[in-house]
Amino acid sequence: DVKVTQSSRYLVKRTGEKVFLECVQDMDHENMFWYRQDPGLGLRLIYFSYDVKMKEKGDIPEGYSVSREKKERFSLILESASTNQTSMYLCASSLYGGRASGANVLTFGAGSRLTVL
Amino acid sequence: DAKTTQPPSMDCAEGRAANLPCNHSTISGNEYVYWYRQIHSQGPQYIIHGLKNNETNEMASLIITEDRKSSTLILPHATLRDTAVYYCIVGILTGGGNKLTFGTGTQLKVEL
Repeated sequence: DVKVTQSSRYLVKRTGEKVFLECVQDMDHENMFWYRQDPGLGLRLIYFSYDVKMKEKGDIPEGYSVSREKKERFSLILESASTNQTSMYLCASSLYGGRASGANVLTFGAGSRLTVL
Repeated sequence: DAKTTQPPSMDCAEGRAANLPCNHSTISGNEYVYWYRQIHSQGPQYIIHGLKNNETNEMASLIITEDRKSSTLILPHATLRDTAVYYCIVGILTGGGNKLTFGTGTQLKVEL
């Protein structure tokens, strides 16, 4: 019954490495999101996408980029990983907001815990 | 996005009702109130949402005040498995890039 799948549960990378975090959803959702979660700071939105090839910056986009080439897949890219990007990364998806009530319900993946050394 | 205020932590005895408050005094007329919870080491899970009326589903009840400036999530018979961080969020259904902004939530601890 898994609906949002994040490719890696745990990753360890070195400073300066390029890191790809992959997220796939099987619910035909238009919207996809990447959050990061840090102790005491809650969930913070990095980027979101409301259509294929469309993306918008969230609250903390610096140091990140995203790719949405197919509707079901949303990738988060760290071009040059730094230690302050050590965090839990959460992907989520939702239906398009223009539809009936409930469209803004987010379904989250299990998370990817990234450690940058 | 409207902001929400929640107590950082609450305790509840197993079997009793857990009432989690949330203030959202700057909520706009077309913004919904959503509740999610996050059990340790898992992604957040949707619980319930509402606009003006009180709502109930198999997980919880949502009570929204008449002025919509605050709400309460009620878990009628809390169990140990309800121990989690509970997030209250307000959001708007718009075309294109709708998004929800999470705060730090309330850590609910259910004890025997």
